[in-house]
Amino acid sequence: DVKVTQSSRYLVKRTGEKVFLECVQDMDHENMFWYRQDPGLGLRLIYFSYDVKMKEKGDIPEGYSVSREKKERFSLILESASTNQTSMYLCASSNVQQPQHFGDGTRLSIL
Amino acid sequence: QKEVEQNSGPLSVPEGAIASLNCTYSDRGSQSFFWYRQYSGKSPELIMSIYSNGDKEDGRFTAQLNKASQYVSLLIRDSQPSDSATYLCAVHPSGGYQKVTFGTGTKLQVIP
Repeated sequence: DVKVTQSSRYLVKRTGEKVFLECVQDMDHENMFWYRQDPGLGLRLIYFSYDVKMKEKGDIPEGYSVSREKKERFSLILESASTNQTSMYLCASSNVQQPQHFGDGTRLSIL
Repeated sequence: QKEVEQNSGPLSVPEGAIASLNCTYSDRGSQSFFWYRQYSGKSPELIMSIYSNGDKEDGRFTAQLNKASQYVSLLIRDSQPSDSATYLCAVHPSGGYQKVTFGTGTKLQVIP
């Protein structure tokens, strides 16, 4: 079975902090993704990566950055956390034209 | 026009009935289609993939794809209360071979 592991299930941070969300997959997938999910807005793509050190902006990249130094690990960084970044964050991985597999999600609260 | 459209529901069906969930998409060149189930507070879980026209069955689930009409549907036979969840349709658009586009989901309620 595909395993996508997100480092935290729940996280509480303060406004202005730099926040790191980590994601690791164990299936040697080429692609990795970061989404946020908010009630009524569905899944929104923040960034994705199709190879080590390669990244592309998704639909809502503002206020976020990413890092992919190793194939299995994809990090999402909130440069200066704001209250409007309170959300459920979901990491996913896949191979080309194959379905994405999701981690359990991180519920992030910014106070 | 949204790229992937689903009725948000809720769709309510009695236990034991067939639940029919529908999804339309705008990119005629789309090649891969997926259905995910998401329980409240949980992450999406893949339940079906379909790549060619017609029906694909897996247990109580049947995915149906009609590329000419640009829709994909999910049938759940003998619906159970445990099927109550939000069902997300996902489509690989042409040219976007890495990304998928997700619908906003249909909430299904199975009434005991």
